[in-house]
Parts: sequence; structure tokens; C-alpha cells
Amino acid sequence: QVQLLQSGAEVKRPGSSVKVSCKVSGDTFRSQTIAWVRQAPGQGLEWMGRIVPIFDSAAYTPRFQARVTITADEGTNSVYLHLSSVTSEDTALYFCAKEAPRGYYDNWGQGTLVTVSS
Amino acid sequence: DIQLTQSPSFLSASVGDRVTITCRASQVIRNDVAWYQQIPGKAPNLLIYGASTLQGGVPSRFSGSGSGTDFTLTISSLQPEDFATYYCQHFNNHLHSFGQGTRLEIK
Repeated sequence: QVQLLQSGAEVKRPGSSVKVSCKVSGDTFRSQTIAWVRQAPGQGLEWMGRIVPIFDSAAYTPRFQARVTITADEGTNSVYLHLSSVTSEDTALYFCAKEAPRGYYDNWGQGTLVTVSS
Repeated sequence: DIQLTQSPSFLSASVGDRVTITCRASQVIRNDVAWYQQIPGKAPNLLIYGASTLQGGVPSRFSGSGSGTDFTLTISSLQPEDFATYYCQHFNNHLHSFGQGTRLEIK
């Protein structure tokens, strides 16, 4: 059973960057496709992007293309979400999720709260 | 981008009721749809994938149907623990997305 463990809450100033980690355990890291989904307070789920470590290939939804980078590190069995130039609108709960071969998400991290405030 | 539109956005119902939530895609996506339940502050929980396949451990009162552009999630007899928010998600291409959610509340 794959487990996803995310890093702790972050507080950031507007204009700075944030990096959230998702440690994958319980299965072969390189074969897992991991996505990032965020949820602003009181809002719905927003899909941000995904990475396939075995191909070192990431894809991003157009809305985040310019500000988001998703990377994978085999040494730490972790996937990282880097979000630059943050604003108050980036205040949200960020989830990583394991993608099943078909494309749905059957395993989720616990969520990381990112607060952007001056 | 493929857009998913759920209806209704808000639903009020009673324990024992049968409810149906609809998800419409902006283009044909075969049966590449999943449904999730979310409790506030918690990660979403997978209910159904492939439009109609029940995820292991999910009660049989949940069912899904549809293909192409129109999909439905039905709860046959609401239980107290079912009052939550429900989302559809497509995985038809490499850029996924979610519907805006349907909040199900106790009448």
C-alpha cells in the first residue's frame, strides 16, 4: 500500500516562493505518477499538474504553467511542488495524490496548508 | 482544456433519500471519469472510477453511470455519513481537471 507523507504548513510573504514535498513509500517510486491538487478556503479542488518520475516528465494545467514546477527525487523518494511569485490567492491546502494506471487518484497525502500573508 | 460542470452545486436531502449528481464534460471523454467524496479539511476519497466501477470498500449504495459527455453519481439511500461534498474528475488526456463540486447537506 503506497503512502504519501507531505511536509508541514508554510507561511509565505507575497512575491516569494514555496516548495512543498510529498514522500512516497510502499512501492516503486519511479513507477508512480504523482499529481498536485489544491483547494483554496471554501473552494473546490483544482488540479495543478503531474509528474511521471520514470520519464522525468511533468505536465501543468495552463493556468499554472508559468509559476509551477513539479520535480521528483529518487534519492529521497519524494515529489516536490515549487510555486513562485505567490499571492494571497495561493493560500490553500495543497494535496499530492497517486495516480492509478487509468488516471484516477486512489491515494492522497494529508495536505499541506500554505498561507500567503504580508 | 476539458471543462467539467456539475449540477446541482448544492443539494439538500434527508436520510434515506435517493440523490443524483450530474457531471457534464465540454467534450467527449469516453468513460474516463472518477467521483470523489470530501469531508472539509480532509483529502478526497475515491468512490468510483471508469464512470461506473465501485472502488473497493465503498458501500454499494453508491453507483455511477454515463459515457461520452454526461455522467451521474447516485446514492440510493442517504446515510448520515454521506453528507459531504462530491467531485467528478476526468482523466481523458494528460491534463486532468475536476468539476466545481456538489455540496450535499441534511434537510
